[in-house]
Amino acid sequence: TQLLEQSPQFLSIQEGENLTVYCNSSSVFSSLQWYRQEPGEGPVLLVTVVTGGEVKKLKRLTFQFGDARKDSSLHITAAQPGDTGLYLCAGEDDKIIFGKGTRLHILP
Amino acid sequence: NAGVTQTPKFQVLKTGQSMTLQCAQDMNHEYMSWYRQDPGMGLRLIHYSVGAGITDQGEVPNGYNVSRSTTEDFPLRLLSAAPSQTSVYFCASRRVPSLEQYFGPGTRLTVT
Repeated sequence: TQLLEQSPQFLSIQEGENLTVYCNSSSVFSSLQWYRQEPGEGPVLLVTVVTGGEVKKLKRLTFQFGDARKDSSLHITAAQPGDTGLYLCAGEDDKIIFGKGTRLHILP
Repeated sequence: NAGVTQTPKFQVLKTGQSMTLQCAQDMNHEYMSWYRQDPGMGLRLIHYSVGAGITDQGEVPNGYNVSRSTTEDFPLRLLSAAPSQTSVYFCASRRVPSLEQYFGPGTRLTVT
């Protein structure tokens, strides 16, 4: 069974700080996705990475796919209260499997 | 486009009752799936479908049935509800081979 481990589970930081959250697996995935979910809503896709070593930027968010395609990281620069939410990674092979998520809270 | 719609938004069932959670998408996506989300457990795949007439099991299929008679609709049936099925259920769809998955707003189900 493929598993995706996300760390940390919870993170609470002050507005303006930088942070990195991680998504790790012992399995190789053909692609990896990051979603953000707000309370009472479904997850919304932020980015998909498909190539080992790939880096994608979405404004203040930087996503990296590991060289071996087993892990990924999400770095947020100068966090803002609007970044608060549950961040989920999902690995795709023949099915899409989700990690348990990192719950991020940005304090104003 | 409405995207992915789910009904009902909230439901309370008694143990042993049956019900169907509805999911529809108007984007002509081939791939549809059902997930449940429980605190501390993330999203777990229940069943998925790669096209009309084709369904397959995910990680946690027991107690649930699905069918896919049209491209648009992918209902999830609970045959005999149990308290362990209390959860938030999400339906999602995507166009193959795109990896971009669109989620519905969810159905919050409580089984007493």
